[in-house]
Amino acid sequence: SQTIHQWPATLVQPVGSPLSLECTVEGTSNPNLYWYRQAAGRGLQLLFYSVGIGQISSEVPQNLSASRPQDRQFILSSKKLLLSDSGFYLCAWRRGSGYNEQFFGPGTRLTVL
Amino acid sequence: KQEVTQIPAALSVPEGENLVLNCSFTDSAIYNLQWFRQDPGKGLTSLLLIQSSQREQTSGRLNASLDKSSGRSTLYIAASQPGDSATYLCAVRQKKGDDKIIFGKGTRLHILP
Repeated sequence: SQTIHQWPATLVQPVGSPLSLECTVEGTSNPNLYWYRQAAGRGLQLLFYSVGIGQISSEVPQNLSASRPQDRQFILSSKKLLLSDSGFYLCAWRRGSGYNEQFFGPGTRLTVL
Repeated sequence: KQEVTQIPAALSVPEGENLVLNCSFTDSAIYNLQWFRQDPGKGLTSLLLIQSSQREQTSGRLNASLDKSSGRSTLYIAASQPGDSATYLCAVRQKKGDDKIIFGKGTRLHILP
């Protein structure tokens, strides 16, 4: 069976500090991977998605970036955090074409002070 | 531009009652619709996926229906239990190969014991 991991589970960071959130998927190969942010009252916002190693598509221009160094690893980064980056970050995956159900990780709660 | 709406934003129901959660979308040309459950501080759990060619899907006490022409889906929960308390989100995918799914903001359900 497939599982998706995210860490850390919670993070408190000062404004201007760097960020690195990690997501890994087990039990499948070549998944499509996604980063979402969920902010209070705003629903889920797709930030980045990747259909393969080194392939990143950005949905929203901002001070965040994503990378996919390995097939089942997806990283969300920032060089300098803003207060507005606070939120709940969710990683998700789905199989390639023909398989459309999307599965989510447990999330990371980020608070920027 | 597709918009997904879930009304009401919050709902309280006595234990044991049957209930219906609503999801509406503005563009009826969808590929599929997915219902998720989210517990506080947790990731999303996939409940049901309905393809555009289907009218409904069932899983245990849950039944999801889809009326594409009217741009609506409902999630029916039979014999509600306190453990059903959570936020329920629906999301639509426009085309088969789309990597982006569009979420509603969810309905926060509280089952009163």
